[in-house]
Amino acid sequence: GESVGLHLPTLSVQEGDNSIINCAYSNSASDYFIWYKQESGKGPQFIIDIRSNMDKRQGQRVTVLLNKTVKHLSLQIAATQPGDSAVYFCAENRWYGGSQGNLIFGKGTKLSVKP
Amino acid sequence: ETGVTQSPTHLIKTRGQQVTLRCSSQSGHNTVSWYQQALGQGPQFIFQYYREEENGRGNFPPRFSGLQFPNYSSELNVNALELDDSALYLCASSLLAGSPLHFGNGTRLTVT
Repeated sequence: GESVGLHLPTLSVQEGDNSIINCAYSNSASDYFIWYKQESGKGPQFIIDIRSNMDKRQGQRVTVLLNKTVKHLSLQIAATQPGDSAVYFCAENRWYGGSQGNLIFGKGTKLSVKP
Repeated sequence: ETGVTQSPTHLIKTRGQQVTLRCSSQSGHNTVSWYQQALGQGPQFIFQYYREEENGRGNFPPRFSGLQFPNYSSELNVNALELDDSALYLCASSLLAGSPLHFGNGTRLTVT
């Protein structure tokens, strides 16, 4: 069946180091993926997205890599800061009539940044 | 530009009661989606509305229903509340097809 999951439930990194959060998906037909950050008491916040016709996309301090061969997605955060501490979700998009709506989320990875 | 706002922020209900949660979409967004997030889990899709009509539905029973109004605000109604309905309910809106969903901070529902 379709699923989006994460390899590690928790990740602890030192401030200033780079962080890598991984995600596996099972639906080879998926063509759009999104990473969200969720801080305690808040809703998910969009970080970066990538379409299946791309292998890599960069934002401010973040990079998403997509490996369609092994159905794997990763989020890299450069120079991790205490403010990056949160739960990170990857989500796989399912289209409804051309309008984005049904996101299938993984369980999330909790990132903790040590000062 | 205002973001997605939800009300109330917290709510306590008794099993068997009915509840209505409200959402105001981000300005100009014509698509709204509702998600349920249990503690320690990722959000799960409930349904989506586009131009006041349900445009897609996840694996939730009919006692979960919704409305979208001409001003793109939305409601989530849950009848005959069960203990397992306790969760964070998230509303999200988007501007265009293929654009990211923008989430509100949710309503924390506790059913006792």
